[in-house]
Amino acid sequence: DIQMTQSPPSLSASVGDRVTFSCRASQSVSGHVSWYQQKPGRAPQLLIYAVSTLHSGVPSRFSGSGSGTEFTLTITSLQPEDVATYYCLQTYSTPFFGPGSKLEIK
Amino acid sequence: EVQLVESGGDLVQPGGALRLSCIASGFNFSDFTMNWVRQAPGKGLEWISSITTSSLTIYYADSVKGRFTVSRDNDKMSLYLQVNSLRGDDTAIYYCARLGGIGARRGDYWGPGTLVTVSS
Repeated sequence: DIQMTQSPPSLSASVGDRVTFSCRASQSVSGHVSWYQQKPGRAPQLLIYAVSTLHSGVPSRFSGSGSGTEFTLTITSLQPEDVATYYCLQTYSTPFFGPGSKLEIK
Repeated sequence: EVQLVESGGDLVQPGGALRLSCIASGFNFSDFTMNWVRQAPGKGLEWISSITTSSLTIYYADSVKGRFTVSRDNDKMSLYLQVNSLRGDDTAIYYCARLGGIGARRGDYWGPGTLVTVSS
């Protein structure tokens, strides 16, 4: 299995801040990384796929980058509605989700 | 409109069994690999099983291998998960998902989930 780790586990930031989440794979996953946003009581929603492609309807303040084993999700200007938990997912081999990063507003 | 709707979740005693179902609509079900993902209360997402279009290839997470069985009926546009020998740590919301992966331009869809509670 190719496992994913994420950091930080939680983050508190102010509206308008730039926020970055990191995800690391236990071995190279090529471009097969997606990022999901999950709000309480809701199913996860896709934000980014293929490392950096913005999913349809997702605001442009979200972006993804990375390669090989290191990947990043960035929110350029944090909005109140971005409070959620963010998960990375590799689909290079059998799917594996990272443990998640919980985002709160200060 | 693509929809996935799970059913079959219930309160069950340890050692018990359930059959979860997921009915798909709005897309050609037989063209897509389907997945089950679960989430224990207050915990993260855990992929547990995938089944390819013609059921030729099936994968399981180690945590459920030997206890859970995934299947599909393309004519009925349905995905199933037989869950046996249930344990307390199987308590979770079980999601049916069409994961987009690297090809998510074609979409990425999840059902609302069905809750399985394992308790005596």
